[in-house]
Amino acid sequence: GENVEQHPSTLSVQEGDSAVIKCTYSDSASNYFPWYKQELGKRPQLIIDIRSNVGEKKDQRIAVTLNKTAKHFSLHITETQPEDSAVYFCAALSNTGFQKLVFGTGTRLLVSP
Amino acid sequence: DTAVSQTPKYLVTQMGNDKSIKCEQNLGHDTMYWYKQDSKKFLKIMFSYNNKELIINETVPNRFSPKSPDKAHLNLHINSLELGDSAVYFCASNPSGRYNSPLHFGNGTRLTVT
Repeated sequence: GENVEQHPSTLSVQEGDSAVIKCTYSDSASNYFPWYKQELGKRPQLIIDIRSNVGEKKDQRIAVTLNKTAKHFSLHITETQPEDSAVYFCAALSNTGFQKLVFGTGTRLLVSP
Repeated sequence: DTAVSQTPKYLVTQMGNDKSIKCEQNLGHDTMYWYKQDSKKFLKIMFSYNNKELIINETVPNRFSPKSPDKAHLNLHINSLELGDSAVYFCASNPSGRYNSPLHFGNGTRLTVT
């Protein structure tokens, strides 16, 4: 089955800096890669996703890149703000049968003012 | 007007008890899920139902029994609760389990077993 690894587990940056979180997946059949943001005590919420027919996607300060050959994808946050502080999860979906989204282990991002 | 709602939000109980968590979604989605998030924040799928039919059943102790009376509801019953069951349980849904579509999560139920 699918296995998703995520690094780093914690990331501290200064406000205005960029933050990069990286994930690798094992199942070459996976074709959908969402990213979720979870603030303290709240539910995970989708912030951006990318499908396997696209190499990069951007939404304002957030971008995701996908390298299918290497089986890795990354989240890039530019001009970080304190409200970006949260736990971020990558996930991968295998295209076999019914949807089973496998999550990475999470990255705790702390943006200091 | 919460799209995916779970009750209760908090649940504190003693070892050995039986408890239930309820979930309802008003998004018209076909597929619903239960995820468990442990103290290290790992999010792991437990069950998935598509239109009331069980389609994913991960390696979960059979003390956990999901029930879906209709496609808008997915409940989770837990028998003989153990300390290791303490976690946050998230219900989620999406339009169809066969297509690439994002999950919509409920607000979670924090279960504490003492």
